[in-house]
Amino acid sequence: DAKTTQPNSMESNEEEPVHLPCNHSTISGTDYIHWYRQLPSQGPEYVIHGLTSNVNNRMASLAIAEDRKSSTLILHRATLRDAAVYYCILRGQSTSGTYKYIFGTGTRLKVLA
Amino acid sequence: GAGVSQTPSNKVTEKGKYVELRCDPISGHTALYWYRQSLGQGPEFLIYFQGTGAADDSGLPNDRFFAVRPEGSVSTLKIQRTERGDSAVYLCASSPRLGSTYNEQFFGPGTRLTVL
Repeated sequence: DAKTTQPNSMESNEEEPVHLPCNHSTISGTDYIHWYRQLPSQGPEYVIHGLTSNVNNRMASLAIAEDRKSSTLILHRATLRDAAVYYCILRGQSTSGTYKYIFGTGTRLKVLA
Repeated sequence: GAGVSQTPSNKVTEKGKYVELRCDPISGHTALYWYRQSLGQGPEFLIYFQGTGAADDSGLPNDRFFAVRPEGSVSTLKIQRTERGDSAVYLCASSPRLGSTYNEQFFGPGTRLTVL
């Protein structure tokens, strides 16, 4: 399974945009890029996903490099509730058909009031 | 609607004991996953069920770990002869169906297992 590299931690001021980077230089052509976040004492929750094109939803935007070797999760206006660990995951498929996730250690986002 | 639920929320046991952790997936979800998360780490895949069968158990660390899903809904993760190194948060997730290129996983709150 292809791996991802993320900074261990980042800080942002409240109401400002946040750009969370992820490197995935060994991504394959069929791997989707998924982002999840984990709030304290909770299970991970889905944020956004993409394949090649940039994506937007109500939570965030995902910018994918043209060569797909990196991506950036963009929170347009960080709030205190966005403080969490953000995981960038490459979702491939094994021969058994499983869509298991291989999590890294993620980026711990701290939002300052 | 109801999300994924896991019971108990906390379990404290002694080394060598047997434990069972339960997962109730979202109704109608055919895919079910178990993950384990140690302190400061991301979740680690353990096993995947599609329906009643374990389609991928490559993440189970050894034969002390076993999971079942007899009716294709509720799943139980079973750990025999627990060791202190088994202490972690055990997460369960479910997905609507196999074959989708999307397949978002919905996670439960986890069971925190502490082995003394």
